Amino acid sequence: DGGITQSPKYLFRKEGQNVTLSCEQNLNHDAMYWYRQDPGQGLRLIYYSQIVNDFQKGDIAEGYSVSREKKESFPLTVTSAQKNPTAFYLCASKKEYSSYNEQFFGPGTRLTVL
Amino acid sequence: DAKTTQPNSMESNEEEPVHLPCNHSTISGTDYIHWYRQLPSQGPEYVIHGLTSNVNNRMASLAIAEDRKSSTLILHRATLRDAAVYYCILSGNYGGSQGNLIFGKGTKLSVKP
Repeated sequence: DGGITQSPKYLFRKEGQNVTLSCEQNLNHDAMYWYRQDPGQGLRLIYYSQIVNDFQKGDIAEGYSVSREKKESFPLTVTSAQKNPTAFYLCASKKEYSSYNEQFFGPGTRLTVL
Repeated sequence: DAKTTQPNSMESNEEEPVHLPCNHSTISGTDYIHWYRQLPSQGPEYVIHGLTSNVNNRMASLAIAEDRKSSTLILHRATLRDAAVYYCILSGNYGGSQGNLIFGKGTKLSVKP
């Protein structure tokens, strides 16, 4: 079955450590997105990628980094520079960046900083 | 970016229709209206989208006001599995960064058995 997978589902990290969240899709979609969600809030866009080897900052990119070396993969690194990293992180993809196709979301990774 | 206004929460009884309102008075002529929903502890899922005309699909119907300043998502028979946060979102029609989705807080729908 095609879809988006995120791993791990729960992640704990100590303050000051970098951590990488995985996002993989087998939908053959060009565009991929990372969002952050805090309790009781909507989603906020961190980074997005239109195509392999290209990505742009979203609204809250500070303290995060991404790479897009393969079409199916878009990992997100939460760096120690992110002041308040505890949140629910969601990855999404869309067939083509320049279209109105719906976004498909993964199940999310819940990150907790201890 | 054009913004939307939704009630924070709504309640419905199981097997009854639900009308979820959304106001978007600053919508531009080229903005699409999207609805997504998010079940507890899951990623959002697409429900429906439209531009000017009313739209129907297997999940729901979307009724768009003639002046496009408001819209209503209609669930014809609510089930317990429809309990979720429903997001009404506007996006540009040219794709690209204008097509990026901007999520507000949405409406939390509770369904009573």
